Amino acid sequence: DQQVKQNSPSLSVQEGRISILNCDYTNSMFDYFLWYKKYPAEGPTFLISISSIKDKNEDGRFTVFLNKSAKHLSLHIVPSQPGDSAVYFCAASARGSGGGADGLTFGKGTHLIIQP
Amino acid sequence: KAGVTQTPRYLIKTRGQQVTLSCSPISGHRSVSWYQQTPGQGLQFLFEYFSETQRNKGNFPGRFSGRQFSNSRSEMNVSTLELGDSALYLCASIGWAGRQETQYFGPGTRLLVL
Repeated sequence: DQQVKQNSPSLSVQEGRISILNCDYTNSMFDYFLWYKKYPAEGPTFLISISSIKDKNEDGRFTVFLNKSAKHLSLHIVPSQPGDSAVYFCAASARGSGGGADGLTFGKGTHLIIQP
Repeated sequence: KAGVTQTPRYLIKTRGQQVTLSCSPISGHRSVSWYQQTPGQGLQFLFEYFSETQRNKGNFPGRFSGRQFSNSRSEMNVSTLELGDSALYLCASIGWAGRQETQYFGPGTRLLVL
């Protein structure tokens, strides 16, 4: 049973436009959500997080939105740049911290391709 | 600060052998967690250590074990290797990003079992 789902395996966006990556979850105990970016042959790099007490968190070009009633979160990247091309993972935790009783639960990732 | 380091970066073993992977967390971080990444299952949590004690464990067989030393360095061991153990093994060091704990990942060890 996949508790964190990223339904789009890949997404292609033009440089300069907005990239929107989506993530759905099923476990209502999740209270902390993170986005990671991963290049080939490297470990995931932390991008941005959001606690369940908020519905939006912004850091530079990255904004994460959380809709608890829909159990949905999204990552917006504006404007998209060529260096943003990577695999993006959504992760969730049930302990209100970076790890939970079961560690972080990850989605399977979305491969974002920024077209010049 | 130096990031999370993992050694070795690449490893080839044969079925039935055992393997030990090493992880050094970011200086000052006392918690380390391990994940397995495979194309089919994605990133899956193995276990987490804090102050030399295993705090949490994922749903993996007993062939997967780990430990943490007093300097916070951690090792994970896989015994009686199977072909399905071929994966990228990631170690994460747990620290603070603002007011929230966050996991910072190393580059991983890619294990190939033949």
